[in-house]
Amino acid sequence: DSGVTQTPKHLITATGQRVTLRCSPRSGDLSVYWYQQSLDQGLQFLIQYYNGEERAKGNILERFSAQQFPDLHSELNLSSLELGDSALYFCASSDQATNEKLFFGSGTQLSVL
Amino acid sequence: GQQLNQSPQSMFIQEGEDVSMNCTSSSIFNTWLWYKQDPGEGPVLLIALYKAGELTSNGRLTAQFGITRKDSFLNISASIPSDVGIYFCAGPNYGGATNKLIFGTGTLLAVQP
Repeated sequence: DSGVTQTPKHLITATGQRVTLRCSPRSGDLSVYWYQQSLDQGLQFLIQYYNGEERAKGNILERFSAQQFPDLHSELNLSSLELGDSALYFCASSDQATNEKLFFGSGTQLSVL
Repeated sequence: GQQLNQSPQSMFIQEGEDVSMNCTSSSIFNTWLWYKQDPGEGPVLLIALYKAGELTSNGRLTAQFGITRKDSFLNISASIPSDVGIYFCAGPNYGGATNKLIFGTGTLLAVQP
């Protein structure tokens, strides 16, 4: 158990819809990272938050947004969903802003039908 | 952008065999990490390497930081069924004061009992 909690584990929705993925980092970790894993793109970095503020941005679509709350949990919002957004979304946390040792949650499997 | 290519893409071996896999980059990395992803789970950090030429072990796993800083190697000795999973190399892409981990394409390992 990495200590990182992601909910829900599975999500099935339709094109055009909006969903919210939730992540609770390990106790004491200030950084939260979001990654997308798909068969054709592999593990892609989306965005990082550190202590409530956006720290780094990767290949995140404009239809996607994230935030980190005062209690350090984070949410990833995906809107106007397309079939190609179907993927495994991982949250990871670390205790520093620039720490390579990430602890990953079990992921949320998103299926867009 | 930076890419990490792993080979082989997949391996099917017998229990007890030794395994070797590698990761190459088009650019230099100052840190190399190896993660393992079990089916249905998020990646878990196995080994971290910080110095060119460094050789580090974690049980039956041994990883090396290539002297060119553009590659890294992972060896697993006397494989067992629970070694099954996807092995990823990763390296931090520092952009300003931030870091984002770039993951390799992965090596899928299957172990026949």
